[in-house]
Amino acid sequence: DAGVIQSPRHEVTEMGQEVTLRCKPISGHDYLFWYRQTMMRGLELLIYFNNNVPIDDSGMPEDRFSAKMPNASFSTLKIQPSEPRDSAVYFCASSFRPGLSNGYTFGSGTRLTVV
Amino acid sequence: AQRVTQPEKLLSVFKGAPVELKCNYSYSGSPELFWYVQYSRQRLQLLLRHISRESIKGFTADLNKGETSFHLKKPFAQEEDSAMYYCALRGTQGGSEKLVFGKGTKLTVNP
Repeated sequence: DAGVIQSPRHEVTEMGQEVTLRCKPISGHDYLFWYRQTMMRGLELLIYFNNNVPIDDSGMPEDRFSAKMPNASFSTLKIQPSEPRDSAVYFCASSFRPGLSNGYTFGSGTRLTVV
Repeated sequence: AQRVTQPEKLLSVFKGAPVELKCNYSYSGSPELFWYVQYSRQRLQLLLRHISRESIKGFTADLNKGETSFHLKKPFAQEEDSAMYYCALRGTQGGSEKLVFGKGTKLTVNP
């Protein structure tokens, strides 16, 4: 298995533009998590899904952020419009119910820079 | 509420010295605790789980419920241990599956 796959690895965009980050979880994993990593705030959970259904989106900063999981093998995190303060590394992670006690498997992250 | 505190943002030791990265947590039930490591510009990797009581790369961590701590220790640090270390907690009550992370400690092992 190739692990959790995120794209793009790096994204530079101008303020006001729409940004879409993509994630492919490990096959068979029914939990998917989106985290944001910044120097100031560390790792923050934005939203997580179970069986493609959003369970907890309390970490989504504001309405500019939205996430979808149309099927078990794909999820997107969209920021529209983007702002410089959204610059961060966004990680996707996946797991499965019996393995939750084993922690999650993380992707390599998308480094987003909004100028 | 679940909370994880890592009091040291930076920790610097010399090669061969003992190292301890501190982690304290706040949770009303019985938590599951983890240590993750992130080498420079790489993905987070699971290092330890408290339920397995294992030693990985010479690191150990013991859950102390009385002190609500889960400190990470290694008797002899190596240069390749230089990385960001994150302590994380998963609550076992209320059906929550999310991991809450501390803000991390950057460990530098000097030659």
